[in-house]
Amino acid sequence: AQSVAQPEDQVNVAEGNPLTVKCTYSVSGNPYLFWYVQYPNRGLQFLLKYITGDNLVKGSYGFEAEFNKSQTSFHLKKPSALVSDSALYFCAVRALSNFGNEKLTFGTGTRLTIIP
Amino acid sequence: DARVTQTPRHKVTEMGQEVTMRCQPILGHNTVFWYRQTMMQGLELLAYFRNRAPLDDSGMPKDRFSAEMPDATLATLKIQPSEPRDSAVYFCASGPTLVGAGETQYFGPGTRLLVL
Repeated sequence: AQSVAQPEDQVNVAEGNPLTVKCTYSVSGNPYLFWYVQYPNRGLQFLLKYITGDNLVKGSYGFEAEFNKSQTSFHLKKPSALVSDSALYFCAVRALSNFGNEKLTFGTGTRLTIIP
Repeated sequence: DARVTQTPRHKVTEMGQEVTMRCQPILGHNTVFWYRQTMMQGLELLAYFRNRAPLDDSGMPKDRFSAEMPDATLATLKIQPSEPRDSAVYFCASGPTLVGAGETQYFGPGTRLLVL
């Protein structure tokens, strides 16, 4: 079975500081990994994904994530946080080995608060 | 700018009433997902379709929930009879064919359901 874990329910970062939102995964086979963001009263929005290739993936709004196979992690990062980055962030995984199975498994979410 | 649309955006109803939620996927997308989001359970996959055929509805309570795709432009989720514990935000998402690639899911704005 595939799963992701987001160990932190809440992350607080001062504006201008670097931020990290953690995610670890468990799949059989090679993973497809995603980050989504949810602003209040909105649906989830795609940020970035890792399929294959370069372990550092760049996405929307200046976010990036690093795929680390040995640590089975896919942490989301940004060099300098903005107040507008405050939102709920979800990590998700799909198992490549499950051919034809488009199901994504989402983490429980991490609420990121950027403090002015 | 193609988007997933959902109607209604808000619904308040009384216990025992039928609730129908509608989703229009992005034109050309042939996978459609229904999710439910609550504070307690987080984001749960209820069901998903590919080419209008249900592939997995294991996350959906069968006795009261039903999901259909009458045509490629409309997906419906019905609850009959509704119960207070069904109160949640229901999201629809769509995506292109995922064969051989980690395609992105695009989420609608959600239907906020309150069952009294």
